[in-house]
Amino acid sequence: AQSVTQLDSHVSVSEGTPVLLRCNYSSSYSPSLFWYVQHPNKGLQLLLKYTSAATLVKGINGFEAEFKKSETSFHLTKPSAHMSDAAEYFCVVSIPQTGANNLFFGTGTRLTVIP
Amino acid sequence: DTEVTQTPKHLVMGMTNKKSLKCEQHMGHRAMYWYKQKAKKPPELMFVYSYEKLSINESVPSRFSPECPNSSLLNLHLHALQPEDSALYLCASSQAGFGNTIYFGEGSWLTVV
Repeated sequence: AQSVTQLDSHVSVSEGTPVLLRCNYSSSYSPSLFWYVQHPNKGLQLLLKYTSAATLVKGINGFEAEFKKSETSFHLTKPSAHMSDAAEYFCVVSIPQTGANNLFFGTGTRLTVIP
Repeated sequence: DTEVTQTPKHLVMGMTNKKSLKCEQHMGHRAMYWYKQKAKKPPELMFVYSYEKLSINESVPSRFSPECPNSSLLNLHLHALQPEDSALYLCASSQAGFGNTIYFGEGSWLTVV
């Protein structure tokens, strides 16, 4: 069975301080894992993707995530938060469907950045 | 270009209306998806098309009818909707096969009155 648990529904940080958004997964398959971001009233934008090539994955806008198989975690980090980072973040596991994929979403973490 | 284009951005319809949501991509992707997202919830899969054939229908009511006329276009026909169907409808596409990135459009906001 596949599942994704985002451990915090809401994270609040001050501008310029580090960001940590936590995600744990379970998957019957060797997982493909993603982080997507959704700004208010917008669609979903891919931040980064893990596909077993490297455990530390770098994404857009200074975000990165580390895949830790022993901990079944895929936490998202950024060294210094910017006001534009305020958004909803989804940790996602991809599961195979007939000829395609299905994305199994975590419940999301809302990031607030305080000036 | 990693763009999925959805029209209209906003749609208000009555419960007896018939309307359609449209989605287009020119990335050569052969898998296309419809997701539904309620406020403050993650997206939920509705339909998957693979090589223009419907491969997944996640027990969606028949008042939602998908159509994939060609490899670049995906429609969602709406008829006799209920107010609880009001949501953001997201179209997405990917290369066929496991593990490929799914690219999302900006969505169509649907309000049923």
